[in-house]
Amino acid sequence: EDQVTQSPEALRLQEGESSSLNCSYTVSGLRGLFWYRQDPGKGPEFLFTLYSAGEEKEKERLKATLTKKESFLHITAPKPEDSATYLCAVEPSGGGADGLTFGKGTHLIIQP
Amino acid sequence: DSGVTQTPKHLITATGQRVTLRCSPRSGDLSVYWYQQSLDQGLQFLIQYYNGEERAKGNILERFSAQQFPDLHSELNLSSLELGDSALYFCASSVEAGGVELFFGSGTQLSVL
Repeated sequence: EDQVTQSPEALRLQEGESSSLNCSYTVSGLRGLFWYRQDPGKGPEFLFTLYSAGEEKEKERLKATLTKKESFLHITAPKPEDSATYLCAVEPSGGGADGLTFGKGTHLIIQP
Repeated sequence: DSGVTQTPKHLITATGQRVTLRCSPRSGDLSVYWYQQSLDQGLQFLIQYYNGEERAKGNILERFSAQQFPDLHSELNLSSLELGDSALYFCASSVEAGGVELFFGSGTQLSVL
């Protein structure tokens, strides 16, 4: 069974204080690993897709990396508007027959 | 705005009742997914349709059913509702059946009293 574990569950940072969010996964063959951002009362918003170990992608203050067992979402010099819940999800290489498996997310708060 | 439209935004009903949630995917997207989000379980995959056909089924209860119509909009039917069915229900769409990002609607908040 595919599993995704995110840590920490919650993280409070000062504005400008860089940190990393972790996503550990177990999947029988990885088709893709996805990062989403979710604001309260809204649907998840797509951030990145990573397909193979060693791949990295960047967008503004966010950088996602992937190894064979985990992914990291690095946030550099965050601003209060980066406060949100960040979700990680995996799609198995068996054709996505089970849909995406999501972790429970990391609730990130950036204090001014 | 993701381009995925879900109605209604809020739904309050009683136990034992039946409700229908509606989703219009992004223009051009053929695949529609339904997810349930609760505080303790997180986002749980329910079911996927691709171009009108059921593609994949997740943890969907027998009391729940869905379909995708020829115009590609989808409906999720929830019947014999229980208190535990209270949750946020999201619809998402994608251009292909897998391997690509999903675009989520803003959800329907279902409260069963």
